[in-house]
Amino acid sequence: GAVVSQHPSWVICKSGTSVKIECRSLDFQATTMFWYRQFPKQSLMLMATSNEGSKATYEQGVEKDKFLINHASLTLSTLTVTSAHPEDSSFYICSASHPGQEYEQYFGPGTRLTVT
Amino acid sequence: GQNIDQPTEMTATEGAIVQINCTYQTSGFNGLFWYQQHAGEAPTFLSYNVLDGLEEKGRFSSFLSRSKGYSYLLLKELQMKDSASYLCAVSNNDYKLSFGAGTTVTVRA
Repeated sequence: GAVVSQHPSWVICKSGTSVKIECRSLDFQATTMFWYRQFPKQSLMLMATSNEGSKATYEQGVEKDKFLINHASLTLSTLTVTSAHPEDSSFYICSASHPGQEYEQYFGPGTRLTVT
Repeated sequence: GQNIDQPTEMTATEGAIVQINCTYQTSGFNGLFWYQQHAGEAPTFLSYNVLDGLEEKGRFSSFLSRSKGYSYLLLKELQMKDSASYLCAVSNNDYKLSFGAGTTVTVRA
């Protein structure tokens, strides 16, 4: 199988604080992980591509200093939302690719972030 | 860039068939995916097409025409649990996925 987990599944934080979301590939090593954001009634928007051992590649319009991505191992990538604001409230989803099958992404269950 | 279009909403009766169309314009192509997403949950994989033609998997089928930039997802023998959002996504040369806005399918008894 190819299982991807995320933690936490939901989080509420106060405006101005930082929140870290973890994405783990449980039964395979993922050289590449992707981070998406989904606002209500909208589709998934790719935020960044995370490669193990190197800097993440951010999509146009995504602030790299606000959304810190660390891919420290082949099974773990983290997304830290710094100085969160209410407009950052969203559903954050990660996905991971199996080496040799990069065309297919396995999605985590998502993290619901609410900033008050 | 990528431009992916699909209808916003569709409604059908339990037991019926529904076809969701997707058209795309891309700068690179490495396959087209269909995902199902229930509210508040992550997308789940339904199908993958990289060559022209029809892929059938149980009640779900997906078709691709690369020359026309067109795909459809066919849902047969609709069940109430099929009420969900269906996302068309195109993989580019870097294996990045670009998603359409999604089609909300409502199945009525």
